[in-house]
Amino acid sequence: KAGVTQTPRYLIKTRGQQVTLSCSPISGHRSVSWYQQTPGQGLQFLFEYFSETQRNKGNFPGRFSGRQFSNSRSEMNVSTLELGDSALYLCASSAGTGGQVETQYFGPGTRLLVL
Amino acid sequence: AQSVTQLDSQVPVFEEAPVELRCNYSSSVSVYLFWYVQYPNQGLQLLLKYLSGSTLVKGINGFEAEFNKSQTSFHLRKPSVHISDTAEYFCAVGDSNYQLIWGAGTKLIIKP
Repeated sequence: KAGVTQTPRYLIKTRGQQVTLSCSPISGHRSVSWYQQTPGQGLQFLFEYFSETQRNKGNFPGRFSGRQFSNSRSEMNVSTLELGDSALYLCASSAGTGGQVETQYFGPGTRLLVL
Repeated sequence: AQSVTQLDSQVPVFEEAPVELRCNYSSSVSVYLFWYVQYPNQGLQLLLKYLSGSTLVKGINGFEAEFNKSQTSFHLRKPSVHISDTAEYFCAVGDSNYQLIWGAGTKLIIKP
């Protein structure tokens, strides 16, 4: 099976712009989680989508949003970019059967630089 | 609430020496524990996991970890490290919402 893919791999934006990142999960996986990784804060959970619905949410401002499509592909959007949004954004997919802790499989990430 | 503590932010070790990366957790529910590795400029890759059964878990690349319930630990070990093991290692525990709670990571630095 192909792994989790994320596009684009690298992105440069300026403050105030918005950005959309894409994630394609492993075939058959129905759950997609997004994480922000920075040197100072480590790995922080943004949100999880399952069957096109947000199932869990981390502690991020409303500028961070996401969605999931019927084919389980997911996008996350960051509006009004700030310098502090510069980070590696990781997507992870899991089977999504629910009711148990599942192994997450990660994509290579999108590195966002905000100038 | 569950939490994960990785006691060392960096661990320097000579090539071919053994290494132990420490992870302690707090959990009030059934324990599911994971170790992931992140090589430079890559995403995270599963090394090994403990869900139930034998407390000694073997993973990829010669790594193993031991679940110790009384000490609430899940330390990662390798008997002989190689330069290619240079990476950041993350410990994670499953919480009551079936989400993963992550440690801050430990950078393994291999000295030639």
